[in-house]
Amino acid sequence: DIQMTQSPSSLSASVGDRVTITCRASQGISNYLAWYQQKPGKVPKLLIYAASTLQSGVPSRFSGSGSGADFTLTISSLQPEDVATYYCQKYNSAPFTFGPGTKVDIK
Amino acid sequence: EVHLVESGGVVVQPGGSLRLSCAASGFTFDDYAMHWVRQAPGKGLEWVSLISWDGGSTYYADSVKGRFTISRDNSKNSLYLQMNSLRAEDTALYYCAKDIGGNGPFDYWGQGTLVTVSS
Repeated sequence: DIQMTQSPSSLSASVGDRVTITCRASQGISNYLAWYQQKPGKVPKLLIYAASTLQSGVPSRFSGSGSGADFTLTISSLQPEDVATYYCQKYNSAPFTFGPGTKVDIK
Repeated sequence: EVHLVESGGVVVQPGGSLRLSCAASGFTFDDYAMHWVRQAPGKGLEWVSLISWDGGSTYYADSVKGRFTISRDNSKNSLYLQMNSLRAEDTALYYCAKDIGGNGPFDYWGQGTLVTVSS
C-alpha cells in the first residue's frame, strides 16, 4: 500500500506569515490528493482536492500544488482561525490513506 | 443542508461486537459512495471502509479486514458498520463521511460516535 508522510509534524508561525506544509506519497498518485483541516475538538473539513482545487467556501489564502508524489499546502497569510491540524489524503484507490498530520499554531 | 448523524458508540469488552449507524439527509443518498473514518484519542485520522453507491463494492483497511463489515440501506438513507472481534486498538471516534463523487475525497462528515473497547 502507498504510504503518506507529512512535514513538518508541527510548526509555529506568526500571524501574517506564509506557511507551507509538504505531503509525500510513497508512489505516484497523479493529482488524487486532498487536504483537510481539523480544528481542536472539531470535525475534519475538506480544504482542497485534486491537489489544487479549492473546496467551495474555503478562503483563498489556502492553496495546493503538486502532482505525482510530492504536494504542498500553502497558507499565504496565517490567521488566528487557522490554528488546526492539517492532513493530506490520497484517494486514487483504496486504501484512502491519510498523512500523519501537521499541527499549526500561532507564535 | 447535508446532515450525517452517527449513533451506536458504547463501551464494549474486547472480543465483543457492535453496530454503528449513520443517518443521512440533505442529499440524494443513493447517488454517493460513503466511508467510515476513525480517530483514536489524541491521534490522527484513519480511513476504515468504503461502500459504493449501490452497496455492490466494499473496501476495508487492513487493520479491520475480516472483522468489520460496511453496509447501507438506501431506502432508509442509512450507512452501517458492523464491528466484530473488537480490540482495544479499535477504541476511537468513528465518523461517517460522504464521498464528493466518483470515489473522491470526503466533503461532509458527521460529528462522530465514540467506541471504547475496554474490560
